Amino acid sequence: KNEVEQSPQNLTAQEGEFITINCSYSVGISALHWLQQHPGGGIVSLFMLSSGKKKHGRLIATINIQEKHSSLHITASHPRDSAVYICAVRFGSGGGADGLTFGKGTHLIIQP
Amino acid sequence: NAGVMQNPRHLVRRRGQEARLRCSPMKGHSHVYWYRQLPEEGLKFMVYLQKENIIDESGMPKERFSAEFPKEGPSILRIQQVVRGDSAAYFCASSPKQGGGYTFGSGTRLTVV
Repeated sequence: KNEVEQSPQNLTAQEGEFITINCSYSVGISALHWLQQHPGGGIVSLFMLSSGKKKHGRLIATINIQEKHSSLHITASHPRDSAVYICAVRFGSGGGADGLTFGKGTHLIIQP
Repeated sequence: NAGVMQNPRHLVRRRGQEARLRCSPMKGHSHVYWYRQLPEEGLKFMVYLQKENIIDESGMPKERFSAEFPKEGPSILRIQQVVRGDSAAYFCASSPKQGGGYTFGSGTRLTVV
């Protein structure tokens, strides 16, 4: 069964702390996405990864294909980073339909 | 660069009515995906379309739901005879190619009363 597991489900931290959110998946994928959703808001695509590491501002995403695991890191966290962070994967080698399968999300609250 | 446009942002329908949700993909994107987010649940894939073709509708409920992406105009997700369980946020995403980077719309929040 193709599954995506995220941890932790909820995370509260103080402003300035280093944040790590984890994502594991069950079978091989062609791409992994990290998404951000604010309460009542739309979805913003942060990263798309198929290997290695990407960095954008204070956000860093890594993926280990052999271990079927990805992490999203936030450095120098700020209250405006408070949101739900969602891991989503595209299973398979890419042929045919490519709808994403989503984790349940990590609810992050950064307190000032 | 208007991004992916979804309308309406909020839609209220009485049980038994029809709901039509629209999605205009980013300019140059010919691949459209619809996702549903039920209250307190994660996002679920519904349907993947290219212009005038449904590529994968494996996530669509078997009855009352349909989707189209005509040659001209937005993609439409249509729900007939809505029930309370259809209340959810419906998101559209587009990409320039299969498996390419996705851009999401702001969603349509459907409430069935």
